Parts: sequence; structure tokens; C-alpha cells
Amino acid sequence: DAMVIQNPRYQVTQFGKPVTLSCSQTLNHNVMYWYQQKSSQAPKLLFHYYDKDFNNEADTPDNFQSRRPNTSFCFLDIRSPGLGDAAMYLCATSRGSGRGTYEQYFGPGTRLTVT
Amino acid sequence: AQSVTQLDSQVPVFEEAPVELRCNYSSSVSVYLFWYVQYPNQGLQLLLKYLSGSTLVKGINGFEAEFNKSQTSFHLRKPSVHISDTAEYFCAVQTTPLVFGKGTRLSVIA
Repeated sequence: DAMVIQNPRYQVTQFGKPVTLSCSQTLNHNVMYWYQQKSSQAPKLLFHYYDKDFNNEADTPDNFQSRRPNTSFCFLDIRSPGLGDAAMYLCATSRGSGRGTYEQYFGPGTRLTVT
Repeated sequence: AQSVTQLDSQVPVFEEAPVELRCNYSSSVSVYLFWYVQYPNQGLQLLLKYLSGSTLVKGINGFEAEFNKSQTSFHLRKPSVHISDTAEYFCAVQTTPLVFGKGTRLSVIA
């Protein structure tokens, strides 16, 4: 089945220690998104790639970076995690065209704990 | 700018009873509307979508939603809920990016 895969499902890192979360997809979608979701809140978009074009949300901290080496993979790098960065991180994909983007398909998420 | 309001943060309902989760949106342009479900410690799963055409949309797991342009609503309904429907439900309006409501926690009571 075509899907969005996130690894690892659970990640523990130390305060200030860089961490990378990964996402891969077999849907061949050209748009990939990273969301942060804190407890009992809606997902909050951090950034997205439309093809190779990176689009950062205005309020995404500089501490968060992303890489998309190819269509299938996208990485979220947190350079110096703080306690406030503990959250579920969701990757999503969608088709995109000149008319806009379409429904998003989500991975299972990575729950990040910062100690 | 588009926005989404989910009027109920929590909805408790007895098993086999009907349920309606309310969603209102604001937009000055034509919209695509979605309902997603999130089970504990999992990602979001698309329940159903409205892109155009029939205003009554059927989704997975027996859910349906009705798009009402005059009331700018997209309420989610199920005639008979199961324990397994206990989850968080998010309404969303399509822009780039998606704009989510704050979610409604549906708790089904045996």
C-alpha cells in the first residue's frame, strides 16, 4: 500500500542535542509538510516543500530546519531542542498543481521527548 | 483569511447513539473541506472530503458530512457510534497550508 512512513516513532533526545526526524513516502506526491502537534492541540504547520521549493511558516523558529534530498524523503532537523519542543511531529504529503494542493496524507508521527 | 471553528471541544455520547460534530468555516473563496480523525498516538487519517458537487459527502467508518454554503458549515454525522470511534476529530479547510480547527474529542461511552 502507498503510504507515508515516519521513523522513528518515538525519539528521546537531550536538551540542546541535535536531532533528526525522517519521513518517506511511496505516494509520489510532490508536496511534503512537517507539522508540530502538542498535547490536545491541532497540528501546527512548520514548513512545506512544493517540489524543491521550501516554504517556511513565518512563526517557525530558526531552530527548526528541513531537507528534502529527493521526492520520496524529507527530514526535520532540530538544531538545539528545548523542553518546549517536546511534541508529536507529523509528516504529510499531497499532490500539488498550478490550481493548488489537494488532500493531505499523514504519517503516524514521531513523538519527541526532550530530557 | 480562512479559519475553522469547531464549536465543541468535547462530545460524550453513548454507544449506538447518533452524533454530530459541528464545524463552521470562514472563507471569501470557494473551499475544499475535510474531516480528519486522529486516534491516540497516531497520525491523522482522512475521513472524508468536499471538493465540489453533491453537498452530502460520505466517508469511511460510516461517517458523512453535509456542506452548507449559506451557513458556512460542514458538520460531521454518524447515525450510530461505536466504542472504536473514540478519537479526536479535526475539521480543516484547504488552502496552502491546511487550516485546522482546534479539534473535537469524541468519547463513546459503553
